[in-house]
Amino acid sequence: LAKTTQPISMDSYEGQEVNITCSHNNIATNDYITWYQQFPSQGPRFIIQGYKTKVTNEVASLFIPADRKSSTLSLPRVSLSDTAVYYCLVGDISYSSASKIIFGSGTRLSIRP
Amino acid sequence: NAGVTQTPKFQVLKTGQSMTLQCAQDMNHEYMSWYRQDPGMGLRLIHYSVGAGITDQGEVPNGYNVSRSTTEDFPLRLLLAAPSQTSVYFCASRSRDQRIHEQYFGPGTRLTVT
Repeated sequence: LAKTTQPISMDSYEGQEVNITCSHNNIATNDYITWYQQFPSQGPRFIIQGYKTKVTNEVASLFIPADRKSSTLSLPRVSLSDTAVYYCLVGDISYSSASKIIFGSGTRLSIRP
Repeated sequence: NAGVTQTPKFQVLKTGQSMTLQCAQDMNHEYMSWYRQDPGMGLRLIHYSVGAGITDQGEVPNGYNVSRSTTEDFPLRLLLAAPSQTSVYFCASRSRDQRIHEQYFGPGTRLTVT
């Protein structure tokens, strides 16, 4: 399983766009990149997943360069409710290992008024 | 759908006691996992299962047992509780369908061992 590196913490202000970058130099061919969000006293919640280029949903965008050694989660126009810990995960989603998902320490994002 | 449910929400144990944390899901997911999260830390995988009757160890399996007799349930047993097992425990499930990548988490069980 590829090891990931993300900033420990980030601060921003309401209305700003926030970009959180994750490094995964040892990503394997079958690995996907997944981001989760966790609020205090709650379980993590899936945000977005991608393999290459750009993925966008109603919550966020995920940018993955051609070499796939890093990825950037982009949160447009954040609000106070986006204050949470964000986890970047890299792993193979095939049958044999899909359940063995490893979380790192995450990025603690704080949004100020 | 209730999603992933966990009981109890809170539990206090004395060192050496045993207990079972319950986890159930009603989404017919094949994959289920148990994680622990210590204060200020990320989640660490304890055990996981890819289907009824099949379980395997994660990063930190020592001191815990699991079984998977049905698709719906995945209980986690603490055999001889130790203060080092004080943590928040999360159960999760996801579909085997490779087109569906989302893992669903329960609300967690906060365990204190004194």
